[in-house]
Amino acid sequence: NAGVTQTPKFQVLKTGQSMTLQCAQDMNHNSMYWYRQDPGMGLRLIYYSASEGTTDKGEVPNGYNVSRLNKREFSLRLESAAPSQTSVYFCASSAPATGLGNQPQHFGDGTRLSIL
Amino acid sequence: EDQVTQSPEALRLQEGESSSLNCSYTVSGLRGLFWYRQDPGKGPEFLFTLYSAGEEKEKERLKATLTKKESFLHITAPKPEDSATYLCAVLNDYKLSFGAGTTVTVRA
Repeated sequence: NAGVTQTPKFQVLKTGQSMTLQCAQDMNHNSMYWYRQDPGMGLRLIYYSASEGTTDKGEVPNGYNVSRLNKREFSLRLESAAPSQTSVYFCASSAPATGLGNQPQHFGDGTRLSIL
Repeated sequence: EDQVTQSPEALRLQEGESSSLNCSYTVSGLRGLFWYRQDPGKGPEFLFTLYSAGEEKEKERLKATLTKKESFLHITAPKPEDSATYLCAVLNDYKLSFGAGTTVTVRA
């Protein structure tokens, strides 16, 4: 059971280039998320998708776009990369809340992106 | 705005030396407090969910507790394999707000 798979693991871009980060989950989760993690800061939500066919902005959406391709896949696109977007990007997914409470998010191992 | 503050930023322990990590939070309408472990080069790995003040959860050498304003992660008799960054996050509606984490190093 792979869980959440992110590709690529590493990428170096030049300023102004475009890039799509891929994420797929095999846990049949409804909700998927994209975060960025920067040194000394907590994970920050970029975009999320509560269910197939819907996407919403998170805390730091500027400069990014997303596509929920199907229930399994959620991609993040940088149309014109900037040095400020150098970061580690994590994708996560979660199941709907149950009578026992909200379900935890499960994370992939990240994409390390450097923009020169 | 939801805020999560973790302390200390870093903690160095001798093997067997028990200690506690703190997570202070302000949130409108807590729907859950989550603890994660993150190893270098990896994504966060889920440990615990706490929902209400007074609740406690345990897993091996880790025990998480929750009050109305903070949560503690107690590490009892830690081993070197407990070395990691521990993240705390609070859930409000759809959004998880994360603290910056506490990096724990356990020396043999």
